[in-house]
Amino acid sequence: EVQVVESGGGLVQPGGSLRLSCAASGFSISNYWMHWVRQVPGKGLVWVSLIKSDGSGANYADSVKGRFTISRDIAKNTLYLQMNSLRVEDTAVYYCVTADGPWGQGTLVTVSS
Amino acid sequence: QSALTQPASVSGSPGQSITISCTGTSSDVGAYNFVSWFQQYPGKAPKVMIYDVNKRPSEISNRFSGSKSGNTASLTISGLQAEDEADYYCASYTISNTVIFGAGTKLTVL
Repeated sequence: EVQVVESGGGLVQPGGSLRLSCAASGFSISNYWMHWVRQVPGKGLVWVSLIKSDGSGANYADSVKGRFTISRDIAKNTLYLQMNSLRVEDTAVYYCVTADGPWGQGTLVTVSS
Repeated sequence: QSALTQPASVSGSPGQSITISCTGTSSDVGAYNFVSWFQQYPGKAPKVMIYDVNKRPSEISNRFSGSKSGNTASLTISGLQAEDEADYYCASYTISNTVIFGAGTKLTVL
């Protein structure tokens, strides 16, 4: 079964850090462009970052550039998002996705003092 | 970069067909055939309905179809059913190696 399971979210103070993980099964992340997308509950979807199938071309939304880093471990078939210098406005549910694959349930990141 | 433009809401009666538009620019929708559509029920994770403009994941009903003309992509749902009532989002890859979403369209089945 093709699925992704996000984890690593939680409550963090402004300025803090978190690392999100996305464990994929049923497919190899090395064959797909992988994205992180976030959504404030009740609001729309917002793209955060992508990494291409060959590991190149990582890019970020302007709102997170310089603070977030996308990476992957092919051996573990896992995608990561390192989130530093977190801001209140980063509070959202974070999803890892491919163009045509199933979405996981996401992981909630709450940035609050 | 501004969001793709979608109507805030559309509605239709059971059995009818509806179309949701998604208008971008020559830097996103018009530049590549990388437009996707997502369905989301309240409190649930989104689900991809269409990718690469008009491709459908195997588990998605053929009542859902996608197309593109110039800078505007469209999602058509035929034979509207009550279960189709949801929010729908479009997204496109851009020439800046980013992805941009629309603000979403609320579909009401009358």
